[in-house]
Amino acid sequence: AQSVTQLDSQVPVFEEAPVELRCNYSSSVSVYLFWYVQYPNQGLQLLLKYLSGSTLVKGINGFEAEFNKSQTSFHLRKPSVHISDTAEYFCAVSEIGEKLTFGTGTRLTIIP
Amino acid sequence: DTAVSQTPKYLVTQMGNDKSIKCEQNLGHDTMYWYKQDSKKFLKIMFSYNNKELIINETVPNRFSPKSPDKAHLNLHINSLELGDSAVYFCASSPSEGNTIYFGEGSWLTVV
Repeated sequence: AQSVTQLDSQVPVFEEAPVELRCNYSSSVSVYLFWYVQYPNQGLQLLLKYLSGSTLVKGINGFEAEFNKSQTSFHLRKPSVHISDTAEYFCAVSEIGEKLTFGTGTRLTIIP
Repeated sequence: DTAVSQTPKYLVTQMGNDKSIKCEQNLGHDTMYWYKQDSKKFLKIMFSYNNKELIINETVPNRFSPKSPDKAHLNLHINSLELGDSAVYFCASSPSEGNTIYFGEGSWLTVV
């Protein structure tokens, strides 16, 4: 069975600094990987996804993530954050054809 | 046009009442879901329907009954509401199981 771990529940970062949100998964088969963002009082919005091909995936709002099969990770990065990036970020994994499993979320807080 | 729309967005009701949340998607997707997000932002799948048929029914009290009149609609009916049912309920859809999920804006349910 698949599972996903987001080790950091909260990450405070100064504005214009880089950020990395960590995500590790567990699965014995090939997987799809996703990052979703939830702004305050809103629904979840897809940031980016890895299905196959290049391990470096670029998403919206300047975010990118790298799939590392040997380390079973899919960390999310942004070189310079903005106040508007304050949100909850969810990593998710699915074994092909199976349901999506979400991590517990990481709250990113940008400090002016 | 909103891809996944759910109503109402906010609902405050008393314990013991029965309430429904409606959901519609205009993406032509085959699979629809209901997720529950608690106060700690944990996101948990409740139900999954594929072409009007129930696929996933996680451990959810039978006071919760989903109904799918057609593949574009998945409504959630809750009987005998309890304080612990207070949460945000998200409707979502995807082309197929394990694929990218598109979320509605959420329905904030408060039971008093």
